[in-house]
Amino acid sequence: QVQLQESGPGLVKPSETLSLGCTVSGGSISNYYWNWFRQPAGTGLEWIGRIYSSGSTFYNPSLKSRVTMSVDTSKNQLSLNLSSVTAADTAVYYCARDASIGDYFDSWGQGTLVTVSS
Amino acid sequence: DIQMTQSPSSLSASLGDRVTITCRASQSINSYLNWYQQKPGTAPKSLIYTSSSLQSGVPSRFSGSRSGTDFTLTISSLQPEDFATYYCQQSYTTPYTFGQGTKLEIK
Repeated sequence: QVQLQESGPGLVKPSETLSLGCTVSGGSISNYYWNWFRQPAGTGLEWIGRIYSSGSTFYNPSLKSRVTMSVDTSKNQLSLNLSSVTAADTAVYYCARDASIGDYFDSWGQGTLVTVSS
Repeated sequence: DIQMTQSPSSLSASLGDRVTITCRASQSINSYLNWYQQKPGTAPKSLIYTSSSLQSGVPSRFSGSRSGTDFTLTISSLQPEDFATYYCQQSYTTPYTFGQGTKLEIK
C-alpha cells in the first residue's frame, strides 16, 4: 500500500519561499498524477495543483504565479515551492495521489503544518 | 471556478440515525463528484467517487447519489466512528474545488 510523507520547515518568514517535499513509499511515482492541497486551520480544503510523473503540471490559477511543482522519479519524491508567502499561506499542506480508477484522491500524506510568521 | 455548496454546515445526530448531507454544484459536473471524511488532525479519507461508487474498504452504510447538480451522501446507520467532517469535491474540471464541509456531531 502506497504511503506518502510530507516534509519541510514548519516556520517560514513572510516574503520568503515555502519549500515542501513528499516522499512516496510502497509504490512507484510513475504513471500517476500527484496533487498538493492545503487547509488553513478550521477551514476547508484548497487544491494547489497537480503534477504527472512525466513532470507536466497543472496549477490552480489563484496560486499559479507563485507555485512550482517538481518530481524526482529516481527518489520517488515530489516537491512544492510557494514563493512570496504571507500569513494567508499558513496552513496544513498535504500531498495526495490520484486514484488509478478515477479522478479522485485515494492516498494522502498525513500533512505538515506550515506557519508564515516573522 | 465551480462552486460547491454543502448543506448543512453542521449536523447533530444519534447513533443508529440515518443521515443525509447534500452538495450542490454551481454548474453541471456530470457525475464527477467525490466525498471525503476527515477526522481532527488527520488527512481526508476517500469514501465515494464518481457520485455513487464506494471506495474499497469503506462500509456499505455509506452511499452516494446524484440528481442533476445536486449530490447526496447518506449514512444509513450512524456508528461512533462516523462522527467527523465530510467534504464533497468536484473532479469535472480544474481547479478542483471542495465544499465547505459538514461537521457531523453526536447529539
